[in-house]
Amino acid sequence: EVQLVESGGGLVQPGGSLRLSCTASGITFSSFEMNWARQAPGKRLEWVAFISSSGDATLYTDSVKGRFTISRDNAKNSLYLQMNSLRTEDTAVYYCVRGGYRYLECWGQGTLVTVSS
Amino acid sequence: DVVMTQSLLSLPVTLGQPASISCRSSQSLVHSDGNTYLNWFQLRPGHSPRRLMFRVSNRDFGVPDRFSGSGSATDFTLKISRVEAEDVGIYYCMQGTHWPLTFGGGTKVEIE
Repeated sequence: EVQLVESGGGLVQPGGSLRLSCTASGITFSSFEMNWARQAPGKRLEWVAFISSSGDATLYTDSVKGRFTISRDNAKNSLYLQMNSLRTEDTAVYYCVRGGYRYLECWGQGTLVTVSS
Repeated sequence: DVVMTQSLLSLPVTLGQPASISCRSSQSLVHSDGNTYLNWFQLRPGHSPRRLMFRVSNRDFGVPDRFSGSGSATDFTLKISRVEAEDVGIYYCMQGTHWPLTFGGGTKVEIE
């Protein structure tokens, strides 16, 4: 069974940093493209970032470019999202998502990030 | 950006009856490669988001066949032939044809 388990969420002040992790099991992690997506309270789902299976290609939604960095460690079956210069509007449940960015085929359970003073 | 519009915020349904959720895009979702990248997702309370359909009408593994997807270009529909209690949740369409990816606002299916 495929499992994607996110961790690292929490409360952080505006301007602060947080690193999210996602550990995958039940799949050959290195074969899959991966993404982060999020859903702010009362808002629609939003795709955040994409990384290729090898990690040599990344894409970001405009609102996080220059602040967030997606990365992966295939030896550890892990995906990461380094979030810097956090803003209140980054408050959301963040999901680790397997698959190409056109498809977003399999989602984790999410981790809550709250940016507030 | 392509705007995805789900006109119904809430859809009260009767158990065992059909339900239809619509989604409209501000531009055609037919990609230059010939594919239409329109997916449907289900968010149930206490569960991870789940993809139900990809490329309009392809049902994901394990999704009951009471779910079906249809449509073309800018107008799309997700249908549930006979609603069951476990179908309660919010349904989102998403387009992957144009950059950036965008989601609809969601339609909440509730049992009346």
